[in-house]
Amino acid sequence: QVQLVESGGGVVQPGKSLRLACAASGNIFRGHGMLWVRQAPGKGLEWVALIWYDGSIQNYADSVKGRFTISRDDSKNTVYLQMNSLRVGDTAMYYCARDISFGAGSPWGQGTLVTVSS
Amino acid sequence: QSALTQPASVSGSPGQSITLSCTGTRSDVSDSDYVSWYQQHPGKAPKLIIYNVYNRPSGVSDRFSGSKSGNTASLTISGLQTEDEADYYCSSFTSTNTLVLGGGTKLTVL
Repeated sequence: QVQLVESGGGVVQPGKSLRLACAASGNIFRGHGMLWVRQAPGKGLEWVALIWYDGSIQNYADSVKGRFTISRDDSKNTVYLQMNSLRVGDTAMYYCARDISFGAGSPWGQGTLVTVSS
Repeated sequence: QSALTQPASVSGSPGQSITLSCTGTRSDVSDSDYVSWYQQHPGKAPKLIIYNVYNRPSGVSDRFSGSKSGNTASLTISGLQTEDEADYYCSSFTSTNTLVLGGGTKLTVL
């Protein structure tokens, strides 16, 4: 059973940084891209970033471009989301998902909560 | 990166069939073979139920089906059951290798 576990969330002040990690059980990264999607409290899903199966392409939502960086370490079965210059509007549950076909995420992790507040 | 348009809410009775819509543009839904649908119950992570417009992941009920016409994708749920009550989101891979999601539809089973 493929499982993804996010970590690294917490409470941080505006302007600070945080790095999220998404660890996979089993060797699920090989041949698959990865996604980060967030959900603000009481709101809908918002795509954040994706990374190609081989790391050759990374793309971002306009709302995080230039501030967030997605990366992967296949030797550790882990994908990361480095979040810099955090804003109050970045407050959300952050989910990672394996990309099984051009943006189709399955499975998803349970999420890690990021709260940006002064 | 404008969000795909979904109705905020729909409702149906057990046993009915309902169709949820997802409207995009030429740069996403219209020209994409990669439209997905997710089901999310309160407090839970989303679950993929349709990908590549029509395909169902293993283990997903065949009561769920997907289709697309022009810039509108649709999710049909047949034989509505109480456990189908959830939020449903569509997504589309775009011509610029990004992803766009819909605002979500809250399905109520009366």
